[in-house]
Amino acid sequence: SAVISQKPSRDICQRGTSLTIQCQVDSQVTMMFWYRQQPGQSLTLIATANQGSEATYESGFVIDKFPISRPNLTFSTLTVSNMSPEDSSIYLCSVSDGPGTEAFFGQGTRLTVV
Amino acid sequence: SQQGEEDPQALSIQEGENATMNCSYKTSINNLQWYRQNSGRGLVHLILIRSNEREKHSGRLRVTLDTSKKSSSLLITASRAADTASYFCATDARRGNKLVFGAGTILRVKS
Repeated sequence: SAVISQKPSRDICQRGTSLTIQCQVDSQVTMMFWYRQQPGQSLTLIATANQGSEATYESGFVIDKFPISRPNLTFSTLTVSNMSPEDSSIYLCSVSDGPGTEAFFGQGTRLTVV
Repeated sequence: SQQGEEDPQALSIQEGENATMNCSYKTSINNLQWYRQNSGRGLVHLILIRSNEREKHSGRLRVTLDTSKKSSSLLITASRAADTASYFCATDARRGNKLVFGAGTILRVKS
């Protein structure tokens, strides 16, 4: 199983600023994903992080708001840009080895925007 | 958008009792997975059941899958206080490896 280190674990940010969240995996993985979990809600997929190319975003999420990098098979970042209180959520990094395999999750980043 | 619905939304039981959670989904799937989340932390994978399987066991967990009804259930037997958590089903739709999560069931086990 993959071990995922996600940083920071939590942060309180001023509106209008940006926060970059890091996801480091202890082994090379095929797929990396970023999810958002709004308070009291389930997980919603933001995007699939593609190595060396632009991420694939889900409906309702755009690159300008959530730029994602994935320079190699073990690391990815998600930036939440120009934050507003509505961005207050838990952001989770997830990895898997491809279709039909279990996914592993980081511990999440609890973001509060004030 | 979320693929599945889960019921109940919340469940409160006594330690030692069994807990059953249900999940329904809308489209054809490759597999269905169940996850546990403690207090808004990361998710822990519990069990994966493939579309050609009907039942699977892991310790105190039993999962069933009925593809004709597009539904699954998770049974936790002899529950413990440590089982208190949110439980989510997630489907791996045939259009890709993206997991789509249900709304989740909040389980509280009272000691």
